[in-house]
Amino acid sequence: DIQMTQSPSSVSASVGDGVTITCRASQTIYTRLAWYQQKPGKAPKLLIYAASTLQSGVPSRFSGSGSGTDFTLTISRLQPEDFATYFCQQGDRFPPTFGQGTTVEIK
Amino acid sequence: QVQLRESGPGLVKPTQTLSLTCSVSGGSVGSGGYYWTWVRQHPGKGLELIGYIFYIGNTYYNPSLKSRLTISADTFNNQFFLKLTSVTAADTAVYYCATMSTNVYIDSWGQGTLVTVSS
Repeated sequence: DIQMTQSPSSVSASVGDGVTITCRASQTIYTRLAWYQQKPGKAPKLLIYAASTLQSGVPSRFSGSGSGTDFTLTISRLQPEDFATYFCQQGDRFPPTFGQGTTVEIK
Repeated sequence: QVQLRESGPGLVKPTQTLSLTCSVSGGSVGSGGYYWTWVRQHPGKGLELIGYIFYIGNTYYNPSLKSRLTISADTFNNQFFLKLTSVTAADTAVYYCATMSTNVYIDSWGQGTLVTVSS
């Protein structure tokens, strides 16, 4: 299975700050990467797919980049509703696998 | 958008079979376009794709679960099902049904149901 490694595991930030989360794949996945947001007690929500394409309805302060093995999710100007856990997921090889998650906490 | 809702027992005894149903609205489990998918999340942990059914007769099972797993569907009632046999405490998790696009991204999720394996 392709291993997905996220860093950091958690980050503290304030409303209005920018945050960058990194996801690394154990082998190339081209741009077959998605990012999800999960709030406590809720299902994950798709934010970005194909590494950089914003899912419909997702605010433009979320952006994704990268290809091959290294990817980033950037949240500019954090809003209160953005404090959550973020997961990456590769869609290149079966089974699809997820990173372990990065929690964005309020400083 | 497709809406999904999981149902089933919240407590299963070790060695027994975990059975869950996903009821679907806004989409048809008998049509193509989506993989009708099961995902689980162990408490406080990451996400694991269990498997999916596509066009009714086609299934994919995570190799780590394949020997214990059956995913099936009922087009009349627009539902799909998960059966996991010989469960242990390691199968305790929140189970989600979901739709996965053919690009292998999960774009709709049920609310999730916690299944605890305990005697």
